Amino acid sequence: GESVGLHLPTLSVQEGDNSIINCAYSNSASDYFIWYKQESGKGPQFIIDIRSNMDKRQGQRVTVLLNKTVKHLSLQIAATQPGDSAVYFCAENKYGNKLVFGAGTILRVKS
Amino acid sequence: DTEVTQTPKHLVMGMTNKKSLKCEQHMGHRAMYWYKQKAKKPPELMFVYSYEKLSINESVPSRFSPECPNSSLLNLHLHALQPEDSALYLCASSQEAAGGVGSYEQYFGPGTRLTVT
Repeated sequence: GESVGLHLPTLSVQEGDNSIINCAYSNSASDYFIWYKQESGKGPQFIIDIRSNMDKRQGQRVTVLLNKTVKHLSLQIAATQPGDSAVYFCAENKYGNKLVFGAGTILRVKS
Repeated sequence: DTEVTQTPKHLVMGMTNKKSLKCEQHMGHRAMYWYKQKAKKPPELMFVYSYEKLSINESVPSRFSPECPNSSLLNLHLHALQPEDSALYLCASSQEAAGGVGSYEQYFGPGTRLTVT
């Protein structure tokens, strides 16, 4: 079967440290992935995406890494801030722009 | 304007009621979506509209009836819901719903928190 899932349900980090959120996928045919951030009471917010022809993509304070060999995706947040506290979802974009979300990781930033 | 708006923010309805959720975007997007999100769970796709036509129905029960009156509006009509239908209903839009694997960012609204009593 196909699935997009996460290793850690909750991640607590100290303010200023780097955060790494992981995601595993099982469909080797998947070729496009997205990370979303969802704050309490809000809808998911696009963070960054990556295609399977890339290994790494950087944004502002965020980096997504894709390891196709082990079917693993990670989101790195540099200098984590209290405003980064949220639930983070990886998602796989399928045919017809159909998104399949992973289970989610709660990121808690301690001040 | 990169905003997707949804009304109402909260809705409480009985199992015999008929209600509607509304979604609006003015980004010129031609694809719109309904998702259902239960507490502590990821969003799950319900429907996809592309150019105002229903393109994907993820085997959603008929008590949920989507409607796309024009390219900016998306409705979800609710009738005879069950308590287990209580959830956050999210609307999203994107530039296109590509025929192949797309790369169009989906913009989400804040959702409607639905409680069925």
